[in-house]
Amino acid sequence: QKEVEQNSGPLSVPEGAIASLNCTYSDRGSQSFFWYRQYSGKSPELIMFIYSNGDKEDGRFTAQLNKASQYVSLLIRDSQPSDSATYLCAVSPFSGGYNKLIFGAGTRLAVHP
Amino acid sequence: GAVVSQHPSWVICKSGTSVKIECRSLDFQATTMFWYRQFPKQSLMLMATSNEGSKATYEQGVEKDKFLINHASLTLSTLTVTSAHPEDSSFYICSARDKSGQVINEQFFGPGTRLTVL
Repeated sequence: QKEVEQNSGPLSVPEGAIASLNCTYSDRGSQSFFWYRQYSGKSPELIMFIYSNGDKEDGRFTAQLNKASQYVSLLIRDSQPSDSATYLCAVSPFSGGYNKLIFGAGTRLAVHP
Repeated sequence: GAVVSQHPSWVICKSGTSVKIECRSLDFQATTMFWYRQFPKQSLMLMATSNEGSKATYEQGVEKDKFLINHASLTLSTLTVTSAHPEDSSFYICSARDKSGQVINEQFFGPGTRLTVL
């Protein structure tokens, strides 16, 4: 079992729709969770992070965390073509002493006009 | 704030040569820097964790004699790919953790270095 799993996609949504990206992790003791966006040929950029169970909203983005289910998701409201990118879920696992991030393979999002 | 630079942004070298990549935190002090490698259409794979003034911690399967890491100051870490071969061609990305950062394990990423070994 991979430490961090994501559906590779592509996830295709029409402009203005809600895009839902999902991530599961294996280390139950994981502490912090991050969503990064990566455009082709570029390095990742942080969208948001979450520590506590529940929802966290930042503009058009909402991160949701459920530690009991070991599940974290990212919702993008009013999706725009510029949101088309690969979204990486990253987890800070207990097994790493919370000193490193483990990345999922990423989900490719395509927002079409 | 929280800017990380990498140099060079791309490099092409012949097989058997060594290549050094620099990673700098420009506006903060980084006690810990990380080196990742990313092959096309794959995710970031952590290669090693670099702590200022001490030896790097390498992930399983990463050859420490091939990928030399030096973290001599709070703002600079270097990765040297020794005797590079075509299979080492990849996108190398560093990240840095702010010494005084408030977010647990938040990492700021450099723009990456694309290495092509002929």
